[in-house]
Amino acid sequence: DVKVTQSSRYLVKRTGEKVFLECVQDMDHENMFWYRQDPGLGLRLIYFSYDVKMKEKGDIPEGYSVSREKKERFSLILESASTNQTSMYLCASRIQGAKNIQYFGAGTRLSVL
Amino acid sequence: GQNIDQPTEMTATEGAIVQINCTYQTSGFNGLFWYQQHAGEAPTFLSYNVLDGLEEKGRFSSFLSRSKGYSYLLLKELQMKDSASYLCAVREEGTGANNLFFGTGTRLTVIP
Repeated sequence: DVKVTQSSRYLVKRTGEKVFLECVQDMDHENMFWYRQDPGLGLRLIYFSYDVKMKEKGDIPEGYSVSREKKERFSLILESASTNQTSMYLCASRIQGAKNIQYFGAGTRLSVL
Repeated sequence: GQNIDQPTEMTATEGAIVQINCTYQTSGFNGLFWYQQHAGEAPTFLSYNVLDGLEEKGRFSSFLSRSKGYSYLLLKELQMKDSASYLCAVREEGTGANNLFFGTGTRLTVIP
């Protein structure tokens, strides 16, 4: 089974803090993704990575950055957390192929106070 | 671009059949996915359609009509554990790594 692990299920941070969300996958997938999920808005893509050291902006990259130094790990960084970044963050990975199925982690619920 | 629409909530009875609809508008359709997400858990892949017609997998089936921009997920013999959100997602051609665009999800409640 594919396993996508997010390091924290719940995080509480203060406005202005630098926040790191970590994601690790164990299936040697090339592509990895960060989404945020908000009520009434669904999943929105923040950033994705084709492969190591490669990254592309998604639909809502403002206020976020990412790092992919190793194939199995994709980090989402909030340089200076703000209250509007309170959300559920979901990581996903995918092997390139016909179906391109994305496999998701359980999510990190971040609260910024 | 894309515009994906699905009902916000549905309720159905244990043992019954329920159909969750999804309509979409996209500039370059390249596949439609259904995911199931239990509260507080990861979305898990249910089905994939890229050609018109019905794909059946046990109690779950998914249908696609590309000309109508329409899909549905059919759940038969409903069980209490089927209470979850069901996410419709469309893949577009020419969008970076064939990204998925998600609807807002349909929260299904199965009652005894």
